[in-house]
Amino acid sequence: GQQVKQSSPSLTVQEGGISILNCDYENDMFDYFAWYKKYPDNSPTLLISVRSNVDKREDGRLTVFLNKSGKHFSLHITASQPEDTAVYLCAAGENQGGSAKLIFGEGTKLTVSS
Amino acid sequence: DMKVTQMPRYLIKRMGENVLLECGQDMSHETMYWYRQDPGLGLQLIYISYDVDSNSEGDIPKGYRVSRKKREHFSLILDSAKTNQTSVYFCASSPPDAETLYFGSGTRLTVL
Repeated sequence: GQQVKQSSPSLTVQEGGISILNCDYENDMFDYFAWYKKYPDNSPTLLISVRSNVDKREDGRLTVFLNKSGKHFSLHITASQPEDTAVYLCAAGENQGGSAKLIFGEGTKLTVSS
Repeated sequence: DMKVTQMPRYLIKRMGENVLLECGQDMSHETMYWYRQDPGLGLQLIYISYDVDSNSEGDIPKGYRVSRKKREHFSLILDSAKTNQTSVYFCASSPPDAETLYFGSGTRLTVL
């Protein structure tokens, strides 16, 4: 089965609103969680990541919330802009001596309408 | 300028032909990856390489093999390509003691 799952394939938000993207995972051993952003015909790039020893991390308009007991993490984007329109991929993995074998979700296509 | 370079960008092959996808990185990263991306499935890990000649299967290795003879190059080989291997293939690398993946621009492979 899918170890990392994004249940919403798409999301539409009004400009200025809050975008909330969700991700669920199965493996208790995962200790690293990340969100990647992908524009069409482009490569994924890391947006923000968090380790399992914290339950929240903020970076500008982005906040990652981690709920370990619920095996769930989410990305909140405040003051959403049209340029935030992209596919967002969540990823989780277990740090193995410096590298993590990341498992990705299916992606959520975010559309910010003006 | 940190870069992961994939060649070719687009490739069309016939079923049964051999396929070679090349990836290079200029960051001296030890760890490199091959993923494929299909609609509704996200990125699926095919192979991971921890250094030269130190390769490990990912989640979907069947039908693929890899070669890492130099740290900066990681190749994905399809011996006798199948139509269900039509996909977008991404190579990535990561620095030591960090989980950040740097992706190449992808290769869109079509197997007819």
